[in-house]
Amino acid sequence: NAGVTQTPKFQVLKTGQSMTLQCAQDMNHNSMYWYRQDPGMGLRLIYYSASEGTTDKGEVPNGYNVSRLNKREFSLRLESAAPSQTSVYFCASRAGDASYEQYFGPGTRLTVT
Amino acid sequence: RKEVEQDPGPFNVPEGATVAFNCTYSNSASQSFFWYRQDCRKEPKLLMSVYSSGNEDGRFTAQLNRASQYISLLIRDSKLSDSATYLCVPGDNFNKFYFGSGTKLNVKP
Repeated sequence: NAGVTQTPKFQVLKTGQSMTLQCAQDMNHNSMYWYRQDPGMGLRLIYYSASEGTTDKGEVPNGYNVSRLNKREFSLRLESAAPSQTSVYFCASRAGDASYEQYFGPGTRLTVT
Repeated sequence: RKEVEQDPGPFNVPEGATVAFNCTYSNSASQSFFWYRQDCRKEPKLLMSVYSSGNEDGRFTAQLNRASQYISLLIRDSKLSDSATYLCVPGDNFNKFYFGSGTKLNVKP
């Protein structure tokens, strides 16, 4: 199984450009997450989706939007990229209430100039 | 105040040493607790869950102290392959998990 996949792996944007980060999981998990990781900051939750059809804000949602397209896919959109959004973005999934383990994708390294 | 506090390290230890990390969390309502391992430029992976009674998985032992709101991880007989960053992760019962910034471990030959 592929587990959690993310595209693209690397991206460079200019300030003001928009882009969508894609995430898909093939484990039939209910919950999906988007985190960002900055040096020395740990992972911070941007948005999460507890189940298909629902999304909720995390700790740092400003400047981002998400779409839970179906049970497999959860995308993160930057409408107008800013240098402060330079980071590594990780998508994760979790089976559901009875299982707390999160499975992470390999990450997207985004640089905004 | 940060949700999770960890000593960033690095902890530099020789092979075979025993090393311990602590982490404190601020949310007394946290329900679940975990240690994740993250290798350089890779995604985090679950190392172990942490239970109130303490739990052991091979060379790794995790303890939870709810009264003092801290979690510990003990690694015995360190291996070179244990070199990584260890992330402390408490979670609430609303589907949210809070990652510490991690403690870096370097195991030397």
